[in-house]
Amino acid sequence: DIQMTQSPSSLSASVGDRVTITCRASQSINSNSNWYQQKPGKAPKLLIYTASNLQSGVPSRFSGSGSGTDFTLTISSLQPEDSATYYCQQSYTTPLTFGGGTKVEIK
Amino acid sequence: EVQLVESGGGLVQPGGSLRLSCAASGVTFSSFWMHWVRQAPGKGLVWVARINGDGTATTYADSVKGRFTISRDNAENTVYLQMNSLRDEDTAVYYCANSPWGGYSQHWGQGTLVTVSS
Repeated sequence: DIQMTQSPSSLSASVGDRVTITCRASQSINSNSNWYQQKPGKAPKLLIYTASNLQSGVPSRFSGSGSGTDFTLTISSLQPEDSATYYCQQSYTTPLTFGGGTKVEIK
Repeated sequence: EVQLVESGGGLVQPGGSLRLSCAASGVTFSSFWMHWVRQAPGKGLVWVARINGDGTATTYADSVKGRFTISRDNAENTVYLQMNSLRDEDTAVYYCANSPWGGYSQHWGQGTLVTVSS
């Protein structure tokens, strides 16, 4: 199985900060990386698919980059409503696997 | 607007069975793959199974292979997860999600809680 390693596992940042979350795959997954946001008690929400494509309706402050084994989710200007846990996922091969999550808190 | 609504969760004893349903609306159901993803209390997301648009191709996580069966009824816009031989470690919120090609999960339901306990 392909392992997806996310870092950091948690972070605390101020409103307006630029936030970066990274995800490393245990082998090359080309551009088959996706990012989800999950708020407590809610279902996950797709933010970015295939490494850098912004899902419809998602604010443009979210962006994704990377290919091969290293991927990044960036929030350009953190907003209070961005407090959540973020997960990366590889969709290169089954079993589809998720990273362990990054909890983002607002200072 | 795409809506996915899961049902069928509940409390079941170890070794028991349960069938989850996920009803879709606002989408051309047969055009999409469907996934089941679960999340144990306080834990991360784990992919469980997927099925293609016409129901002819299915894939499972090793942890559920041989015990769970994913199926769909395109006339009813519904995907199912039949869960047999349930174990304590199957306790989780189960989400269904649609997928354009079997990869990323585009829209998610609200989830249904399955608790396996004696």
